[in-house]
Amino acid sequence: KQEVTQIPAALSVPEGENLVLNCSFTDSAIYNLQWFRQDPGKGLTSLLLIQSSQREQTSGRLNASLDKSSGRSTLYIAASQPGDSATYLCAVPGSSNTGKLIFGQGTTLQVKP
Amino acid sequence: GAGVSQSPSNKVTEKGKDVELRCDPISGHTALYWYRQSLGQGLEFLIYFQGNSAPDKSGLPSDRFSAERTGGSVSTLTIQRTQQEDSAVYLCASSLALAGAYNEQFFGPGTRLTVL
Repeated sequence: KQEVTQIPAALSVPEGENLVLNCSFTDSAIYNLQWFRQDPGKGLTSLLLIQSSQREQTSGRLNASLDKSSGRSTLYIAASQPGDSATYLCAVPGSSNTGKLIFGQGTTLQVKP
Repeated sequence: GAGVSQSPSNKVTEKGKDVELRCDPISGHTALYWYRQSLGQGLEFLIYFQGNSAPDKSGLPSDRFSAERTGGSVSTLTIQRTQQEDSAVYLCASSLALAGAYNEQFFGPGTRLTVL
C-alpha cells in the first residue's frame, strides 16, 4: 500500500530564503508525482508534475526533483516571498490504471516579510 | 478556458438530510475524481470516473455515498442521511486521461459541507 510522507509539517522562514520541502513515498513504482499548493479555504493548485522518466521539473522559482529509487521528491523554492505562504502537498498515483492520488499530509509554509 | 468549478461553495445541512454536490470539469477532460479533505484525515480519494463509468468505487466511505456523471461532463456526489462525520471539504478534480503525462489533475475550489 502506497504511503506518502512530508517533512517538515510546518516551516517558517524569513523572506528571501531558499528552502526545500521533502516528500517520500513507500512504493517506488510510480509513473508520476505531482506537487500542489493550497491556500487557506481554497482548492488545490497544481504546481508541477514530474513523470517517472524525469529527474526534475522547473517552473519559475520552483524546482521539483524526483528520485524514484530512493522514494523521494523535493520541492525547492528560491528567493521565497510572503506570497509563497501556503500548504504544499505532494501526491502520487495509487495505482497504474486509475490515476487516483495518494497525498501526503502537507507542509505548511510561512514566509515572514 | 475555465477551470474546474464546484457548487455550492458552502453547504450547511441538518443531520439526516440528503445533499448533492456538483462538479463541472475542464472541457475535454475524460477523467474526473472526487476527494474529501477533513481535519486530521488529510485528503482521501472517494471515486473516479472515466467517461460516465465509475470503475472504482472503493473509496466511498459507506453506501450513503453515491456519485454519477452524465454526458462525460458534469458529476454529482450525493450523500444520503448525512452524519456529522460527513463534515469536510469535498474536492473535485479532472484530467485529460487516467495515466501518464495526461494524468495531471486540476482541482476545483471545493464544497465545504457542515452537518449540524
